[in-house]
Amino acid sequence: AQSVTQLDSHVSVSEGTPVLLRCNYSSSYSPSLFWYVQHPNKGLQLLLKYTSAATLVKGINGFEAEFKKSETSFHLTKPSAHMSDAAEYFCVVSDGNAGNMLTFGGGTRLMVKP
Amino acid sequence: DGGITQSPKYLFRKEGQNVTLSCEQNLNHDAMYWYRQDPGQGLRLIYYSQIVNDFQKGDIAEGYSVSREKKESFPLTVTSAQKNPTAFYLCASSIGAGGYEQFFGPGTRLTVL
Repeated sequence: AQSVTQLDSHVSVSEGTPVLLRCNYSSSYSPSLFWYVQHPNKGLQLLLKYTSAATLVKGINGFEAEFKKSETSFHLTKPSAHMSDAAEYFCVVSDGNAGNMLTFGGGTRLMVKP
Repeated sequence: DGGITQSPKYLFRKEGQNVTLSCEQNLNHDAMYWYRQDPGQGLRLIYYSQIVNDFQKGDIAEGYSVSREKKESFPLTVTSAQKNPTAFYLCASSIGAGGYEQFFGPGTRLTVL
Protein backbone atom coordinates (compact mmCIF):
# COMPACT_ATOMS: atom_id res chain seq x y z
CA ALA A 1 0.00 0.00 0.00
CA GLN A 2 1.15 3.53 -0.66
CA SER A 3 0.48 6.73 1.22
CA VAL A 4 1.73 10.29 1.33
CA THR A 5 1.76 12.84 4.13
CA GLN A 6 2.22 16.54 3.68
CA LEU A 7 3.46 17.74 7.00
CA ASP A 8 2.09 21.30 6.82
CA SER A 9 -1.42 22.24 5.76
CA HIS A 10 -0.46 25.93 5.50
CA VAL A 11 2.89 27.64 4.91
CA SER A 12 3.38 31.40 4.89
CA VAL A 13 6.52 33.10 3.55
CA SER A 14 7.53 36.59 2.57
CA GLU A 15 8.22 37.38 -1.07
CA GLY A 16 11.87 36.79 -1.88
CA THR A 17 12.45 34.27 0.94
CA PRO A 18 12.93 30.50 0.50
CA VAL A 19 10.06 28.05 0.26
CA LEU A 20 10.03 24.58 1.84
CA LEU A 21 7.01 22.29 1.49
CA ARG A 22 7.47 18.95 3.22
CA CYS A 23 6.32 15.55 2.01
CA ASN A 24 6.84 12.03 3.35
CA TYR A 25 5.71 8.93 1.52
CA SER A 26 5.24 5.23 2.02
CA SER A 27 5.40 2.74 -0.82
CA SER A 28 5.89 -0.98 -1.17
CA TYR A 29 7.63 -0.59 -4.51
CA SER A 30 10.07 1.82 -6.10
CA PRO A 31 7.84 4.85 -6.26
CA SER A 32 7.30 7.59 -8.75
CA LEU A 33 6.78 10.90 -6.97
CA PHE A 34 5.23 14.10 -8.23
CA TRP A 35 4.49 17.62 -7.10
CA TYR A 36 1.46 19.35 -8.57
CA VAL A 37 0.28 22.93 -8.11
CA GLN A 38 -3.34 24.11 -8.13
CA HIS A 39 -4.43 27.72 -8.35
CA PRO A 40 -7.95 28.55 -7.12
CA ASN A 41 -10.74 26.91 -9.13
CA LYS A 42 -8.24 25.49 -11.61
CA GLY A 43 -6.98 22.07 -12.54
CA LEU A 44 -3.67 20.66 -11.36
CA GLN A 45 -0.41 21.42 -13.14
CA LEU A 46 2.66 19.22 -12.89
CA LEU A 47 5.63 20.98 -11.27
CA LEU A 48 8.10 18.11 -11.34
CA LYS A 49 8.45 14.34 -11.12
CA TYR A 50 10.87 11.74 -9.81
CA THR A 51 11.03 8.38 -11.57
CA SER A 52 14.22 6.69 -10.26
CA ALA A 53 16.75 8.78 -12.17
CA ALA A 54 18.54 11.73 -10.54
CA THR A 55 17.51 12.24 -6.93
CA LEU A 56 17.50 16.03 -7.27
CA VAL A 57 14.71 16.96 -9.62
CA LYS A 58 14.28 20.38 -11.17
CA GLY A 59 10.85 21.56 -12.19
CA ILE A 60 9.13 24.57 -13.62
CA ASN A 61 9.08 28.07 -12.13
CA GLY A 62 12.31 27.52 -10.19
CA PHE A 63 11.05 24.70 -7.99
CA GLU A 64 13.05 21.60 -7.20
CA ALA A 65 12.69 18.54 -4.98
CA GLU A 66 15.08 15.98 -3.58
CA PHE A 67 14.23 12.30 -3.26
CA LYS A 68 15.69 10.86 -0.04
CA LYS A 69 15.00 7.16 0.19
CA SER A 70 16.48 6.78 3.68
CA GLU A 71 14.13 9.45 4.99
CA THR A 72 11.20 8.53 2.67
CA SER A 73 10.91 12.22 1.88
CA PHE A 74 10.38 14.33 -1.23
CA HIS A 75 10.41 17.93 -0.05
CA LEU A 76 9.72 20.78 -2.47
CA THR A 77 11.91 23.89 -2.36
CA LYS A 78 12.36 27.20 -4.12
CA PRO A 79 15.12 29.69 -3.30
CA SER A 80 13.00 32.83 -3.60
CA ALA A 81 9.21 33.01 -3.40
CA HIS A 82 7.18 35.11 -5.81
CA MET A 83 3.66 36.38 -5.26
CA SER A 84 2.47 34.19 -8.13
CA ASP A 85 3.59 31.07 -6.22
CA ALA A 86 0.64 31.43 -3.85
CA ALA A 87 -1.43 28.28 -4.48
CA GLU A 88 -2.20 24.78 -3.21
CA TYR A 89 0.56 22.20 -3.65
CA PHE A 90 0.05 18.45 -3.73
CA CYS A 91 2.64 15.74 -3.23
CA VAL A 92 1.67 12.56 -5.07
CA VAL A 93 3.02 9.00 -5.06
CA SER A 94 2.57 6.18 -7.52
CA ASP A 95 4.02 2.74 -7.02
CA GLY A 96 3.51 2.00 -10.69
CA ASN A 97 1.35 -0.95 -9.86
CA ALA A 98 -2.36 -1.62 -10.35
CA GLY A 99 -3.01 0.72 -13.21
CA ASN A 100 -0.96 3.76 -12.26
CA MET A 101 -3.05 4.85 -9.34
CA LEU A 102 -1.90 8.09 -7.85
CA THR A 103 -2.24 8.73 -4.12
CA PHE A 104 -2.52 12.41 -3.23
CA GLY A 105 -1.40 14.13 -0.09
CA GLY A 106 -3.82 16.44 1.67
CA GLY A 107 -2.23 19.52 0.16
CA THR A 108 -0.25 22.49 1.46
CA ARG A 109 -1.56 25.98 0.95
CA LEU A 110 1.31 28.37 0.30
CA MET A 111 0.73 32.02 1.13
CA VAL A 112 3.21 34.66 0.01
CA LYS A 113 3.29 38.00 1.81
CA PRO A 114 4.52 41.14 0.06
CA ASP B 1 -3.45 22.70 -28.75
CA GLY B 2 -3.43 19.34 -27.04
CA GLY B 3 -5.13 19.00 -23.71
CA ILE B 4 -8.13 18.03 -21.64
CA THR B 5 -11.39 19.91 -21.67
CA GLN B 6 -14.18 19.66 -19.13
CA SER B 7 -17.64 21.10 -19.43
CA PRO B 8 -19.47 22.82 -18.04
CA LYS B 9 -17.25 24.88 -15.72
CA TYR B 10 -20.13 25.39 -13.27
CA LEU B 11 -23.16 23.13 -12.88
CA PHE B 12 -26.19 23.44 -10.64
CA ARG B 13 -28.46 20.52 -9.90
CA LYS B 14 -31.63 20.04 -7.98
CA GLU B 15 -31.78 17.19 -5.51
CA GLY B 16 -32.94 13.97 -7.13
CA GLN B 17 -31.60 14.80 -10.59
CA ASN B 18 -28.88 12.99 -12.46
CA VAL B 19 -26.24 15.13 -14.18
CA THR B 20 -23.44 14.26 -16.59
CA LEU B 21 -20.04 15.94 -16.60
CA SER B 22 -18.09 15.92 -19.82
CA CYS B 23 -14.37 15.15 -20.21
CA GLU B 24 -12.60 15.09 -23.56
CA GLN B 25 -8.89 14.69 -24.34
CA ASN B 26 -6.95 14.96 -27.60
CA LEU B 27 -3.65 13.72 -26.17
CA ASN B 28 -4.19 10.18 -27.49
CA HIS B 29 -3.93 8.88 -23.94
CA ASP B 30 -5.18 5.41 -23.11
CA ALA B 31 -5.98 6.01 -19.44
CA MET B 32 -8.52 8.46 -18.02
CA TYR B 33 -9.59 9.27 -14.47
CA TRP B 34 -12.23 11.11 -12.46
CA TYR B 35 -11.44 12.70 -9.11
CA ARG B 36 -13.51 14.52 -6.54
CA GLN B 37 -12.06 17.39 -4.52
CA ASP B 38 -13.72 18.82 -1.43
CA PRO B 39 -12.67 22.13 0.18
CA GLY B 40 -9.27 21.93 1.84
CA GLN B 41 -8.80 18.30 0.88
CA GLY B 42 -6.79 16.28 -1.56
CA LEU B 43 -8.20 14.38 -4.52
CA ARG B 44 -10.16 11.16 -4.21
CA LEU B 45 -10.46 8.75 -7.11
CA ILE B 46 -13.99 8.01 -8.32
CA TYR B 47 -13.47 5.89 -11.44
CA TYR B 48 -10.69 5.17 -13.89
CA SER B 49 -10.38 3.60 -17.31
CA GLN B 50 -7.22 2.09 -18.74
CA ILE B 51 -8.65 1.34 -22.16
CA VAL B 52 -11.76 1.86 -24.24
CA ASN B 53 -14.82 -0.10 -23.09
CA ASP B 54 -13.25 -0.87 -19.72
CA PHE B 55 -13.37 1.00 -16.42
CA GLN B 56 -12.82 0.31 -12.74
CA LYS B 57 -14.18 1.71 -9.50
CA GLY B 58 -11.97 3.94 -7.44
CA ASP B 59 -12.18 4.71 -3.76
CA ILE B 60 -15.53 6.54 -3.79
CA ALA B 61 -17.53 5.14 -6.74
CA GLU B 62 -20.90 4.87 -4.98
CA GLY B 63 -23.48 7.18 -6.56
CA TYR B 64 -21.45 7.71 -9.73
CA SER B 65 -21.32 6.01 -13.13
CA VAL B 66 -19.07 6.31 -16.19
CA SER B 67 -18.71 5.09 -19.75
CA ARG B 68 -15.73 4.84 -22.08
CA GLU B 69 -17.07 4.27 -25.59
CA LYS B 70 -14.40 6.38 -27.25
CA LYS B 71 -10.73 6.81 -26.42
CA GLU B 72 -11.02 10.57 -26.16
CA SER B 73 -14.14 10.75 -24.00
CA PHE B 74 -14.89 9.70 -20.41
CA PRO B 75 -18.16 11.23 -19.14
CA LEU B 76 -19.13 11.02 -15.48
CA THR B 77 -22.74 10.82 -14.34
CA VAL B 78 -23.57 11.92 -10.83
CA THR B 79 -26.73 10.08 -9.88
CA SER B 80 -29.39 10.88 -7.32
CA ALA B 81 -27.90 8.11 -5.18
CA GLN B 82 -24.87 10.27 -4.44
CA LYS B 83 -25.73 11.73 -1.03
CA ASN B 84 -23.39 14.71 -1.03
CA PRO B 85 -22.49 15.59 -4.62
CA THR B 86 -21.51 19.22 -4.15
CA ALA B 87 -17.78 19.29 -4.97
CA PHE B 88 -15.13 20.16 -7.54
CA TYR B 89 -14.68 17.38 -10.10
CA LEU B 90 -11.42 16.88 -11.96
CA CYS B 91 -10.77 14.70 -14.99
CA ALA B 92 -7.27 13.50 -15.87
CA SER B 93 -5.53 11.35 -18.43
CA SER B 94 -2.19 9.60 -18.80
CA ILE B 95 -0.32 7.69 -21.48
CA GLY B 96 -0.91 4.48 -19.60
CA ALA B 97 -0.06 2.62 -16.46
CA GLY B 98 3.33 2.55 -14.76
CA GLY B 99 4.07 5.83 -13.04
CA TYR B 100 3.34 8.27 -15.84
CA GLU B 101 2.17 11.69 -14.82
CA GLN B 102 -1.47 12.55 -15.19
CA PHE B 103 -2.65 15.62 -17.07
CA PHE B 104 -5.63 17.41 -15.58
CA GLY B 105 -8.56 19.30 -17.01
CA PRO B 106 -9.74 22.64 -15.57
CA GLY B 107 -12.48 21.07 -13.47
CA THR B 108 -16.26 21.32 -13.06
CA ARG B 109 -17.80 22.77 -9.91
CA LEU B 110 -21.08 21.02 -9.13
CA THR B 111 -23.51 22.56 -6.68
CA VAL B 112 -26.70 20.87 -5.52
CA LEU B 113 -29.47 23.30 -4.72
